[in-house]
Amino acid sequence: EADIYQTPRYLVIGTGKKITLECSQTMGHDKMYWYQQDPGMELHLIHYSYGVNSTEKGDLSSESTVSRIRTEHFPLTLESARPSHTSQYLCASSGELYNSPLHFGNGTRLTVT
Amino acid sequence: AQTVTQSQPEMSVQEAETVTLSCTYDTSESDYYLFWYKQPPSRQMILVIRQEAYKQQNATENRFSVNFQKAAKSFSLKISDSQLGDAAMYFCAYRSAYYAGGGADGLTFGKGTHLIIQP
Repeated sequence: EADIYQTPRYLVIGTGKKITLECSQTMGHDKMYWYQQDPGMELHLIHYSYGVNSTEKGDLSSESTVSRIRTEHFPLTLESARPSHTSQYLCASSGELYNSPLHFGNGTRLTVT
Repeated sequence: AQTVTQSQPEMSVQEAETVTLSCTYDTSESDYYLFWYKQPPSRQMILVIRQEAYKQQNATENRFSVNFQKAAKSFSLKISDSQLGDAAMYFCAYRSAYYAGGGADGLTFGKGTHLIIQP
């Protein structure tokens, strides 16, 4: 059973709309991450956070933004969705130790028409 | 920057047989962690097994084991007695043991291997 939750599971939306992908975890982890998974299944880190009020951009440039106002919550926002944003977005969290695995949510599959 | 390479886009194995998925990585670091993750179709990514680079002993979790060759920078996953539920994308991932405060400490993933189990 997942300890990290993403909503919605699927989202189809028109170009230009603002969207927020929700991610919450109940494990008390300070470290949280957003990955974008392309159709070829490759994963790219787009945002990460090491705690409240800490957010950084990842390896892959993204037009999305994130916020971390509460430890358990790490939402991702697209101000104006475009077809190029169509992808699967995976949220993850991790304990402090470097041998800690990342725990992943079920993902949000976003389609922008 | 570290890179992870999975050279097998797809593998197929008969149910109850053994299959090995390959993974190589490139790093200049001496201390790090390696992981295998499984992503079933439309389902959550879950951890299969992990290995600390400083440990010489290969990690084992039930039917899953790894062959960790540090000098060769190789980290293969062996699945014994394959079951239909093993069908999934398998990702090899690297995590540095060092954080200099200037970058992300998340996982670096390979491109994945799609494992098909033939009944």
